[in-house]
Amino acid sequence: SAVISQKPSRDICQRGTSLTIQCQVDSQVTMMFWYRQQPGQSLTLIATANQGSEATYESGFVIDKFPISRPNLTFSTLTVSNMSPEDSSIYLCSVDGQGRTGELFFGEGSRLTVL
Amino acid sequence: AQSVTQLDSQVPVFEEAPVELRCNYSSSVSVYLFWYVQYPNQGLQLLLKYLSGSTLVKGINGFEAEFNKSQTSFHLRKPSVHISDTAEYFCAVSDLGGFKTIFGAGTRLFVKA
Repeated sequence: SAVISQKPSRDICQRGTSLTIQCQVDSQVTMMFWYRQQPGQSLTLIATANQGSEATYESGFVIDKFPISRPNLTFSTLTVSNMSPEDSSIYLCSVDGQGRTGELFFGEGSRLTVL
Repeated sequence: AQSVTQLDSQVPVFEEAPVELRCNYSSSVSVYLFWYVQYPNQGLQLLLKYLSGSTLVKGINGFEAEFNKSQTSFHLRKPSVHISDTAEYFCAVSDLGGFKTIFGAGTRLFVKA
């Protein structure tokens, strides 16, 4: 298993500003995933981040809006840029378990409210 | 591409009653299947997974699920629920490389005293 810490756990932001979410894992992992969970909805994959390469974004998500860094095998950041109220969501960092089966371990999430 | 359909958005049930949360998936290739639970204000936690082998999978907290390939289903069951089982439950599917996991819309289980 992996223990994942996310910061901040929650924040209230003003429209037009940007916020960076940090994700720290207690072990080295190859793949890290960023998900968005809008209020009352399921999880939607934003992007996959591998160390040493550009993040791979899913349809509907672009690097200018959600830039991601992955400087090493235990850390990643997701920035939500030029925020609007529609960006109010829980953002979840996750990592793959052993054996590349798609089993994921999750942080507790970062709850963002944009006013 | 894969997709996941959870047939019930909410399931209210009395304490100590049995419960089944339904999940159907669609995929043109073989997949791995998962159930996750999300308690209020927490991240997701794996309940159980089907990778291969026996189609009846047992997980934590007394939950089990059965993989039915012909019906492309992976329903979650518990014979007797507790108040503490109140949470959101997500069915998920991933490709065999584990590169992408797709989640269903979730089922809110509400256990009443």
